[in-house]
Amino acid sequence: GENVEQHPSTLSVQEGDSAVIKCTYSDSASNYFPWYKQELGKGPQLIIDIRSNVGEKKDQRIAVTLNKTAKHFSLHITETQPEDSAVYFCAAYNDYKLSFGAGTTVTVRA
Amino acid sequence: NAGVTQTPKFRILKIGQSMTLQCTQDMNHNYMYWYRQDPGMGLKLIYYSVGAGITDKGEVPNGYNVSRSTTEDFPLRLELAAPSQTSVYFCASILGGGDQETQYFGPGTRLLVL
Repeated sequence: GENVEQHPSTLSVQEGDSAVIKCTYSDSASNYFPWYKQELGKGPQLIIDIRSNVGEKKDQRIAVTLNKTAKHFSLHITETQPEDSAVYFCAAYNDYKLSFGAGTTVTVRA
Repeated sequence: NAGVTQTPKFRILKIGQSMTLQCTQDMNHNYMYWYRQDPGMGLKLIYYSVGAGITDKGEVPNGYNVSRSTTEDFPLRLELAAPSQTSVYFCASILGGGDQETQYFGPGTRLLVL
């Protein structure tokens, strides 16, 4: 089955700085890569996604890049704000299922 | 649309008791999923369904059962609860089909087995 690895597990950034989270996947048949944000006590919420036929996608302060050859994809958050503090999960979709990374706890310091 | 709803929000069970976690979606989604999330960990797939009458095991199915008699409902049954089943359980759904893989999550059910 698909195996998704996510790094780093924790990330502390100064408000206004950028945050980058990286994921790798193992199955080249995976074709859809969403990113989820989970706040304390809540379910994961989709923040951005990218399909395998696209290399980059941006939505305001967040962007995702995908390198199919290397099986890497990354989340970039620019101009971080305190409300960006949360746990972020990457995932890869294949064979009707999403496989999730272990999560990155992002803390934005004021 | 209410989206994906789960009941109960929180439950305490004694070892050996049974219970059913309810999940309903009103988006006419074809695929539904149950995950568990242990403290500080990621999401592990328990069971999933690609349509009414069709279910399949995920990574961690032992100790659980599911059924999918309608498109809307996907209950998760715990038989003989064990402390290892203490977790937060999330239900999710996807419309399914070409380019329709966006997964929507419910708010979760917190289960404590003592």
